[in-house]
Amino acid sequence: GIQVEQSPPDLILQEGANSTLRCNFSDSVNNLQWFHQNPWGQLINLFYIPSGTKQNGRLSATTVATERYSLLYISSSQTTDSGVYFCAVLSNAGGTSYGKLTFGQGTILTVHP
Amino acid sequence: NAGVTQTPKFQVLKTGQSMTLQCAQDMNHEYMSWYRQDPGMGLRLIHYSVGAGITDQGEVPNGYNVSRSTTEDFPLRLLSAAPSQTSVYFCASSYSRPTYEQYFGPGTRLTVT
Repeated sequence: GIQVEQSPPDLILQEGANSTLRCNFSDSVNNLQWFHQNPWGQLINLFYIPSGTKQNGRLSATTVATERYSLLYISSSQTTDSGVYFCAVLSNAGGTSYGKLTFGQGTILTVHP
Repeated sequence: NAGVTQTPKFQVLKTGQSMTLQCAQDMNHEYMSWYRQDPGMGLRLIHYSVGAGITDQGEVPNGYNVSRSTTEDFPLRLLSAAPSQTSVYFCASSYSRPTYEQYFGPGTRLTVT
């Protein structure tokens, strides 16, 4: 099946710093999403971005599907940005589980005041 | 719109007990799915449904049953709970096909003793 690798696994920042999270995937995809899992465990949709670039406030994301990677940019980080950031992809190669999103292992972000 | 809702938020079961985890969405989404999240294992697809009356197995279906009698609801049943089913369960939905953006519920934290 498709492999999804995220880097870095852990990231510690001071409030106000910028960061870039990376997601590499091993096959072509129909769907790519970025999620933030907050400290209460909720999965918050950040971006639906199978290709191209999107921005939402301090966050932006870019997916280069032909090179099989996606980047999530966080600018002027805040303590509320802390949590785990997941990249999830839906392979278009078919397989045993239709519609299965394959998640990366996540990047644990800690923002200190 | 309430989005995707799940009940209960927390549940403790004894081995062998049965229960139903509820999932509902008010976005008229056709595709719904259940995942479980375990440390070190990420999120794994249990069952999914492409519309009312149609369900299929994901990658870890053993010990779980589902049905989809309405577009809005997609309950997950544990027939005889086992400690290996201790996990956080997430329900997700998307419009029409999983290639569209998928939205996750807040999760149910289940402990089986």
